[in-house]
Amino acid sequence: DIQMTQSPSSLSASVGDRVTITCRASQGISNYLAWFQQKPGKAPKSLIYAIFNLQNGVPSRFSGSGSGTDFTLTISSLQPEDFATYFCLQYSTYPWTFGQGTKVEI
Amino acid sequence: QVQLVESGGGVVQPGRSLRLSCAASGFTFSNYAIHWVRQAPGKGLEWVAVMSFDGNNEFYADSVKGRFTISRDNPKNTLYLQMNSLRLEDTAVYYCARDQVVYAIRGPFDYWGQGTLITVSS
Repeated sequence: DIQMTQSPSSLSASVGDRVTITCRASQGISNYLAWFQQKPGKAPKSLIYAIFNLQNGVPSRFSGSGSGTDFTLTISSLQPEDFATYFCLQYSTYPWTFGQGTKVEI
Repeated sequence: QVQLVESGGGVVQPGRSLRLSCAASGFTFSNYAIHWVRQAPGKGLEWVAVMSFDGNNEFYADSVKGRFTISRDNPKNTLYLQMNSLRLEDTAVYYCARDQVVYAIRGPFDYWGQGTLITVSS
């Protein structure tokens, strides 16, 4: 199975900060990398697919980058509604695997 | 609007069976693959299974292969997950999620249901 390693596991930030979360795959996954946001007690929300493509309705302060095995989710200016846990997903090879999550806290 | 609504959750003893349902609306269900994803309490997300739009292809995580069976009834706009030989470690919220590509299993997910909780306990 492809292992997805996210870092950091948690971070503290303030409104307006630029936040970067990284995800490393244990082998190359081409562009089959997605990001999700989850708030406590809620279902995950799809943010980004194919490394950098925003899902409909996702604010432009979210962006994705990377290639091969190393990928990044960036929030350019953190907003109050962005405090949540973020997960990456590789969908290159079965079984699809998620990173362990990064909790963004105030 | 696209909606996915899971049902069938509850408390079940180890070794017993349970069937989850995922009722879809707001889109042409028969055009999309649908996935099951689960989340143990306080833990991360785990992809469980997927069935193609036409029911001809299905894939499973190793942790559930041979115990869980995914199926769908396109006229009823419903996806199912038959879970047999349940284990303590199957305790989780189970989400169904739509594959975002029509007529294929390409991924990732674009819409998620709200989830249903399965608790396996003696």
